[in-house]
Amino acid sequence: GAGVSQSPRYKVAKRGQDVALRCDPISGHVSLFWYQQALGQGPEFLTYFQNEAQLDKSGLPSDRFFAERPEGSVSTLKIQRTQQEDSAVYLCASSLEGQGFSGNTIYFGEGSWLTVV
Amino acid sequence: AQSVTQLDSQVPVFEEAPVELRCNYSSSVSVYLFWYVQYPNQGLQLLLKYLSGSTLVKGINGFEAEFNKSQTSFHLRKPSVHISDTAEYFCAVSAPMDTGRRALTFGSGTRLQVQP
Repeated sequence: GAGVSQSPRYKVAKRGQDVALRCDPISGHVSLFWYQQALGQGPEFLTYFQNEAQLDKSGLPSDRFFAERPEGSVSTLKIQRTQQEDSAVYLCASSLEGQGFSGNTIYFGEGSWLTVV
Repeated sequence: AQSVTQLDSQVPVFEEAPVELRCNYSSSVSVYLFWYVQYPNQGLQLLLKYLSGSTLVKGINGFEAEFNKSQTSFHLRKPSVHISDTAEYFCAVSAPMDTGRRALTFGSGTRLQVQP
């Protein structure tokens, strides 16, 4: 597709429910990022993939958060046993860069809005 | 580690007036600098970026920013704003290749409200 695509756009989950958020990056993009954006805040880094390898997961807030990108394209962010504090917009982003970071533009999707009730 | 401070959470301005959105950063290494815009219910769109070279960077929609290393600032400016510029603006930094960190670190955002 032309841009980064995320689904679902909106998700309401009951506390304790598991959720899965999907990201389709721009075709051919090597790097993929997940960010969490709480209401009124800037995005905060969760995790980073280079192809299928998860090179940085230092931003994942707890072991209830898990991300994968098994074939180096589509990625899924899974949140187990959701809590109210998990309510946020989850942004996926991708960029062309491979081994070297030359400042290639990072393109963002429109986000998946998660509300935990 | 890097951090970004956006000094103003909201900036109201009248249409056709100039505007400056302030951004300061801290880092122990050289960084790349970015400004992103977020319209309501949309993802972030890159306005401009500074990697190296000229400290004055021009972006889309008539925006520009100036990198000031001594003041560790990267303020965003536009000489004449339009109603359509109403949005949230985020300053961000990233570490270059030699630190191995690819992620962007964002400020908390500045809401630009353009009034007729």
